[in-house]
Amino acid sequence: AQTVTQSQPEMSVQEAETVTLSCTYDTSESDYYLFWYKQPPSRQMILVIRQEAYKQQNATENRFSVNFQKAAKSFSLKISDSQLGDAAMYFCAYRRRMIQGAQKLVFGQGTRLTINP
Amino acid sequence: DGGITQSPKYLFRKEGQNVTLSCEQNLNHDAMYWYRQDPGQGLRLIYYSQIVNDFQKGDIAEGYSVSREKKESFPLTVTSAQKNPTAFYLCASSSPSGTPDNSPLHFGNGTRLTVT
Repeated sequence: AQTVTQSQPEMSVQEAETVTLSCTYDTSESDYYLFWYKQPPSRQMILVIRQEAYKQQNATENRFSVNFQKAAKSFSLKISDSQLGDAAMYFCAYRRRMIQGAQKLVFGQGTRLTINP
Repeated sequence: DGGITQSPKYLFRKEGQNVTLSCEQNLNHDAMYWYRQDPGQGLRLIYYSQIVNDFQKGDIAEGYSVSREKKESFPLTVTSAQKNPTAFYLCASSSPSGTPDNSPLHFGNGTRLTVT
């Protein structure tokens, strides 16, 4: 079975600085997707960024980027120019590639990110 | 606007009582899911449904039941057999088959259930 591990229960960063959240996963599959979700105090789950395993290029969405290391099974999230609104729980998630059917995501334990003004 | 509605936001029950959590979506999504969130454990899949009148157990289905009589609705019943029912419950849905399969899950705002 696939597992996702986030080894940092809590992280903090000064506003405007850069922070990296770690995620490792375990799978025997070669084709899959990886996601980072953000859960602010409202508890709404918001997709931050996604990565297809068959793509070597790291995904980027504005201030958010990933470092995807397939051989090491590592998928870290870098937040640049941190803003107060980035404060949230961040979840890493894995899903194997499927032609159709339900998207069963496996989530990590989460990292609580605090932004210090 | 399309989305997923979970109600109520907070729910309180006495131990031994069954309780049903509502989840409605107007996104025309085929698949729907229930996740449970506990501190330090992330989200864990309880049940999921790919189409109407069909559903499968997830990783922690014991003590829960679901139904999928309509495409838009996927209610979750927390039965008295669930040993630790107090948690935050999230409902989600995903795009129909044929759309890009890296499309994300769409989540509701969740229901906080407290059982005493």
